[in-house]
Amino acid sequence: NAGVTQTPKFRVLKTGQSMTLLCAQDMNHEYMYWYRQDPGMGLRLIHYSVGEGTTAKGEVPDGYNVSRLKKQNFLLGLESAAPSQTSVYFCASSTGTVNQPQHFGDGTRLSIL
Amino acid sequence: AQSVSQHNHHVILSEAASLELGCNYSYGGTVNLFWYVQYPGQHLQLLLKYFSGDPLVKGIKGFEAEFIKSKFSFNLRKPSVQWSDTAEYFCAVNRGSQGNLIFGKGTKLSVKP
Repeated sequence: NAGVTQTPKFRVLKTGQSMTLLCAQDMNHEYMYWYRQDPGMGLRLIHYSVGEGTTAKGEVPDGYNVSRLKKQNFLLGLESAAPSQTSVYFCASSTGTVNQPQHFGDGTRLSIL
Repeated sequence: AQSVSQHNHHVILSEAASLELGCNYSYGGTVNLFWYVQYPGQHLQLLLKYFSGDPLVKGIKGFEAEFIKSKFSFNLRKPSVQWSDTAEYFCAVNRGSQGNLIFGKGTKLSVKP
């Protein structure tokens, strides 16, 4: 009964380094999302995907790239990490029907030094 | 642009006090409304949702919310809070034809035992 699993849970990077966050869901959901959560800012959508092989920009996409090569996985990449990308990142998935809720992972706490 | 406003940044209550958290949204068309809760160190979980029908919806753990279309509001209520309700609460909205959620900035609730 895993739901949405995010890897890793914590990471510290140096400015300029790159890394990929992995999100995996086992609910056969069509839609997947990446958010960042910053104090006092709520959750802001970075990128999302409405199906395998598709991606789209959200509210704050700059500095991030994503890929959805398999339906169950949604990868978030930081090509050249910046201190402004220090945040908690949440992945979510949903069936895509607008009145169905999103299911969230446990988050990845990322610090950029 | 569509926005979601949560008026209270931090609410402090004693156990058994009544709770009401405000949420207003700016979009005038058909909307779907959600309240999520995030317990310390955990991911977001769905408390309740409204799509249509009875504007008073009941969720888990004794929470309820009332949709007032004329006021563009979806306030969260609980008659008697417990220490275990200490968490951050997020209101979220999506439009009738659009799956992406717009989140409010969150309200942190602290319940004193």
